[in-house]
Amino acid sequence: KQEVTQIPAALSVPEGENLVLNCSFTDSAIYNLQWFRQDPGKGLTSLLLIQSSQREQTSGRLNASLDKSSGRSTLYIAASQPGDSATYLCAVAGANSKLTFGKGITLSVRP
Amino acid sequence: NAGVTQTPKFRVLKTGQSMTLLCAQDMNHEYMYWYRQDPGMGLRLIHYSVGEGTTAKGEVPDGYNVSRLKKQNFLLGLESAAPSQTSVYFCASSHNTGPNTEAFFGQGTRLTVV
Repeated sequence: KQEVTQIPAALSVPEGENLVLNCSFTDSAIYNLQWFRQDPGKGLTSLLLIQSSQREQTSGRLNASLDKSSGRSTLYIAASQPGDSATYLCAVAGANSKLTFGKGITLSVRP
Repeated sequence: NAGVTQTPKFRVLKTGQSMTLLCAQDMNHEYMYWYRQDPGMGLRLIHYSVGEGTTAKGEVPDGYNVSRLKKQNFLLGLESAAPSQTSVYFCASSHNTGPNTEAFFGQGTRLTVV
């Protein structure tokens, strides 16, 4: 059974700091890995999708990497802003594109 | 450009009552999913569908039923609601399956069973 772990559960950083959010998974037989953002009381917004054959994807200040063999992914956020405060969820896609989620990292960026 | 729409957004049920949650997508996606999100548990898959007329069980299917009579709609039913079903329910859809398949999520339905 696939298990996805995100540690720590919460993170507080000052504005402007570069930060890395970690995700690990137990079964390397995945189609892709997706990072989502969730604001309080809201739905999930897709940030980045890394296909199983890819090593990284970039979108603006966000960069996500994937090391499938070691079961790890990182989400790098450059020059963090208060507007980046949210919960970040990592999910891996298996057969039939079913997603297995981590529990998320709640990020707070202090002005 | 609606994407994935869930109805209703909020609901309070009494124990033993029944209800149906509706998910509608306008992207002509084949695959649809129902997840529930609970504090400290993350999102877990309840049921899913790989096409019109098909359904399959996910990780936590007990107490729920689903139907996919039309390609664009995926219904989640609670026949006899229990307090343990208090949760936020998310519907998602994807075009197909494969490495470049992205999942699109609705805004969620917050259900409280008292």
